[in-house]
Amino acid sequence: GEDVEQSLFLSVREGDSSVINCTYTDSSSTYLYWYKQEPGAGLQLLTYIFSNMDMKQDQRLTVLLNKKDKHLSLRIADTQTGDSAIYFCAESPTYGGYNKLIFGAGTRLAVHP
Amino acid sequence: NAGVTQTPKFRVLKTGQSMTLLCAQDMNHEYMYWYRQDPGMGLRLIHYSVGEGTTAKGEVPDGYNVSRLKKQNFLLGLESAAPSQTSVYFCASRKSTSIQALGETQYFGPGTRLLVL
Repeated sequence: GEDVEQSLFLSVREGDSSVINCTYTDSSSTYLYWYKQEPGAGLQLLTYIFSNMDMKQDQRLTVLLNKKDKHLSLRIADTQTGDSAIYFCAESPTYGGYNKLIFGAGTRLAVHP
Repeated sequence: NAGVTQTPKFRVLKTGQSMTLLCAQDMNHEYMYWYRQDPGMGLRLIHYSVGEGTTAKGEVPDGYNVSRLKKQNFLLGLESAAPSQTSVYFCASRKSTSIQALGETQYFGPGTRLLVL
């Protein structure tokens, strides 16, 4: 079946690192994504990782993928107040060539001084 | 490019009323999607379209209908609104028609907040 799970809430101090975790179920997912949703806005792609990779770094963002355990994490270095948002993990199982995104419930990141 | 736009931004309906949500994209994307977002849940796919004139059901299609008469527009209709359809509705679009391109993703609109009383 398809299921993406993530913790619902994370609170960090400004300047610390944030780590948001996600587990997924469908091993056919070629890509795994992290989206960010700011209050009152739509989802915006933050970063993605190809399923053959273990790690991807993009400025302050580091994505780690453990394909064996189907575990994905997003690390934000030097977290700022502007990083406060909901972060969604998504897998992308493929059915007959059609790309479908399965989202987790989202992790609300709160950054405090 | 405006990207993906949605109208209206907010609407209040009474039970039994009908309405149409409009999604427009100016990126010449083939795929378009309608999702709903409810508290504590991820986005759930309602309907999608792989091209002009085609539509298909997603995870939660009941109570909704869609049409894709023009490539750039994807309409979501509620024929008889119910309180269970109170939600935030997101439209998204994607470029490719079949294979997954490297890192290709869906582009989302800002959402329509719908309240059904």
